[in-house]
Amino acid sequence: EVQLVESGGGLVRPGGSMRLSCAASGFTFGSYAMNWVRQPPGKGLEWVSAISGRGGDTYYADAVKGRFTLSSDSSKNSVFLQMNSLRAEDAAMYYCATGNSPWFNLNGEYFHSWGQGTLVTVSS
Amino acid sequence: DIQMTQSPSSLSAYVGDRVNITCRASQNINTNLNWYQQKPGKAPKLLITVSSSLQSGVPSRFSGSGSGTQFTLTINSLQPEDFATYSCQQSYTIPRTFGQGTKVEIK
Repeated sequence: EVQLVESGGGLVRPGGSMRLSCAASGFTFGSYAMNWVRQPPGKGLEWVSAISGRGGDTYYADAVKGRFTLSSDSSKNSVFLQMNSLRAEDAAMYYCATGNSPWFNLNGEYFHSWGQGTLVTVSS
Repeated sequence: DIQMTQSPSSLSAYVGDRVNITCRASQNINTNLNWYQQKPGKAPKLLITVSSSLQSGVPSRFSGSGSGTQFTLTINSLQPEDFATYSCQQSYTIPRTFGQGTKVEIK
């Protein structure tokens, strides 16, 4: 059974930095692209970033490009989202989710398995 | 970016009702459309992929249809556990985008 466990959320001041982690188990790491999807309180879902199964390709939403960096460490079966220059509009529940193939840029991809989320609050 | 618009934003229904939720894409996405169910305080759950393919374990009262720019999620004979928020998501282009969600409440 796929399990994704996010950590690293909390309270951060505007302009600050935070690193989210997602520890994966129950599948061969690298078999799926890995994603971060966020959801501001009371609002809809927003895809944030993805990394291919082998870690060679990363993708970002325009809202976070240049501020967020996604990386993976196969030795730890984990992906990491480094978030810099945080803004109030970045406050959200951040979910880690697997794709359904090692690639992210194919038609028909979907977010198959999800973690329970980690809450990021941006406030002074 | 492709905009996904769901209607209605919320609805009230009785147990046993048939419910239809519509998702419109701002451009042709063929059948690259997925549906998710989310209950309060929980992560989304994948229900349907490529417009009409039911995920393993999802009850057969859920069905999806559509292609191009208009898609429908249908729940036949609504059950108490189906009261949740449903979101569509396109996988035709990057960035992947979601609809704003449709909240299904008990009448």
